[in-house]
Amino acid sequence: GNSVTQMEGPVTLSEEAFLTINCTYTATGYPSLFWYVQYPGEGLQLLLKATKADDKGSNKGFEATYRKETTSFHLEKGSVQVSDSAVYFCALSDPSTNAGKSTFGDGTTLTVKP
Amino acid sequence: KAGVTQTPRYLIKTRGQQVTLSCSPISGHRSVSWYQQTPGQGLQFLFEYFSETQRNKGNFPGRFSGRQFSNSRSEMNVSTLELGDSALYLCASSWSGRTQETQYFGPGTRLLVL
Repeated sequence: GNSVTQMEGPVTLSEEAFLTINCTYTATGYPSLFWYVQYPGEGLQLLLKATKADDKGSNKGFEATYRKETTSFHLEKGSVQVSDSAVYFCALSDPSTNAGKSTFGDGTTLTVKP
Repeated sequence: KAGVTQTPRYLIKTRGQQVTLSCSPISGHRSVSWYQQTPGQGLQFLFEYFSETQRNKGNFPGRFSGRQFSNSRSEMNVSTLELGDSALYLCASSWSGRTQETQYFGPGTRLLVL
């Protein structure tokens, strides 16, 4: 079956530090890959996505590249801010599992200190 | 355009009771998916509806059910509540549920079972 593995958290960084959150996946088909962010008391918001190999998704300074050869989709940001503190989820959607279903990693809690 | 709305936002029930949660998707979206989020199990897929039909179902007992109306609004029902059903229930909508599409999440309904 499908699965997503994220680096374990929590992650604590100082403001302006470089961020990497690792994500690897296992999928039956050819999935689309997503990063979502969840702020306290809220639902998930899409951060970025990539739908085919070598695509780079980017948004708000965050980037991730779909690497089919290493089955990875690592999230990076060059300089984090306090406002980036949240829980980050890597997810995949696989056409072999039919419609409307995403498989999520366990989430990585990021805390950025001033 | 209004986002995904969920009602109620918070619920407290006792074991054995049943509960109904509601989700209104983004206007024009016809696919609605439901997820359960708990600290121990993370985000788990419950089911997905499209055009009033359940197209996909996760590994949850039959106590969990849902439906979708002609206006794409969806409800999920949990009967004979157990303590372990305490969770954040998230719904997500998309145009048609295809794998490349972004799912837009509501803020969730937090259910506490006593």
